[in-house]
Amino acid sequence: SQQGEEDPQALSIQEGENATMNCSYKTSINNLQWYRQNSGRGLVHLILIRSNEREKHSGRLRVTLDTSKKSSSLLITASRAADTASYFCATVWMDSSYKLIFGSGTRLLVRP
Amino acid sequence: GAVVSQHPSWVICKSGTSVKIECRSLDFQATTMFWYRQFPKQSLMLMATSNEGSKATYEQGVEKDKFLINHASLTLSTLTVTSAHPEDSSFYICSARYGPNTEAFFGQGTRLTVV
Repeated sequence: SQQGEEDPQALSIQEGENATMNCSYKTSINNLQWYRQNSGRGLVHLILIRSNEREKHSGRLRVTLDTSKKSSSLLITASRAADTASYFCATVWMDSSYKLIFGSGTRLLVRP
Repeated sequence: GAVVSQHPSWVICKSGTSVKIECRSLDFQATTMFWYRQFPKQSLMLMATSNEGSKATYEQGVEKDKFLINHASLTLSTLTVTSAHPEDSSFYICSARYGPNTEAFFGQGTRLTVV
């Protein structure tokens, strides 16, 4: 399958705790993006990290990228109940298609 | 962020009929649009990549004659599910981006139910 893998598949934490999600992929990439999806809705873009970048921050989000290991992580600090959603990494392939392929996703539950 | 509008948000159709789903980028020119299919509690599976003015590139296993994609302008792409069957029932989501190094913006999705 072209799809990347994410772990854990599901994560349940208490409000205020940090949540870490990991993503592994298979091909050479142009960039990697993280998205959030609330149940049955469209996707919201969170952050884009380019293949020559190693770390990026946006508010309570911190993303790392290790191209040698073909992996990325998303850290959400000081989680809130409103962060409850599914989180997906997506890679832009480094070929002529530049297609956007999604990982398997992590379902995050933040308990109030 | 930029806005991508997908219409309709839900549709119920009879088996054997065709359904058209529209995806519009409202405030930017989308050189590339993607169409995905998502089953409950699963990830998005790429169906096809559509570049403005050229034929769509379909992923392996996706029937191009069944899922017709047209990207006639920089702001509009359509997906037509032809001769729909109950197994085509799913959540279809479109995405649009300006260039390969830019973020992709997603429509709200269309829930298709074929009865």
